[in-house]
Amino acid sequence: EVQLVESGGGLVKPGGSLRLSCAASGFTFSSYSMNWVRQAPGKGLEWVSSISSSSSYIYYADSVKGRFTISRDNAKNSLYLQMNSLRAEDTAVYYCARMGLGKAVAGTYDYWGQGTLVTVSS
Amino acid sequence: EIVLTQSPGTLSLSPGERATLSCRASQSVSSSYLAWYQQKPGQAPRLLIYGASSRATGIPDRFSGSGSGTDFTLTISRLEPEDFAVYYCQQYGSPPRTFGQGTKVEIK
Repeated sequence: EVQLVESGGGLVKPGGSLRLSCAASGFTFSSYSMNWVRQAPGKGLEWVSSISSSSSYIYYADSVKGRFTISRDNAKNSLYLQMNSLRAEDTAVYYCARMGLGKAVAGTYDYWGQGTLVTVSS
Repeated sequence: EIVLTQSPGTLSLSPGERATLSCRASQSVSSSYLAWYQQKPGQAPRLLIYGASSRATGIPDRFSGSGSGTDFTLTISRLEPEDFAVYYCQQYGSPPRTFGQGTKVEIK
């Protein structure tokens, strides 16, 4: 069974930093691109960042570029998101999501974790 | 970036009724790379449809997707109690991948 478990969320002051982790199991982690997608309270979904299976390709939404860094450790089956210079508008539930494998589904998110809440407030 | 506009914002229906949700793109979605997700309160989204019309693994056949170019539709043929949720469309044909703002299907 595919499982994605996020951790590391919490309350942080504006300008502060936080590192999110996502532990993956039940599939060959090193074969899949992975993503972070966030959802502000009561709002819709926003893609944040993607990383390819071997970390060769990394992409960010404009809203987080230069502040967030995505990384992965395939030996530990783990995905990370280092978030610096946090702003109030970064407050959201952050989901770790697996990207579909195969031409028709590459770009979809076929499995999601339960999310971790990040609150940026003074 | 491609902007996706979903309508209506809220759909009030009774169990057993047919639900028709719309997703309109600001420009053509290449190769019909359009997906639909379902999200229930307090839960993560779940992939329902990819490639505009293909059901994801384990998705009941009462869910169907159609459309191409800029206009896409998700149809739920007969609403079950567990189908009342928020539905999002997502395009993955052009970076950045974007979501619509969601349609809430609520019990009338």
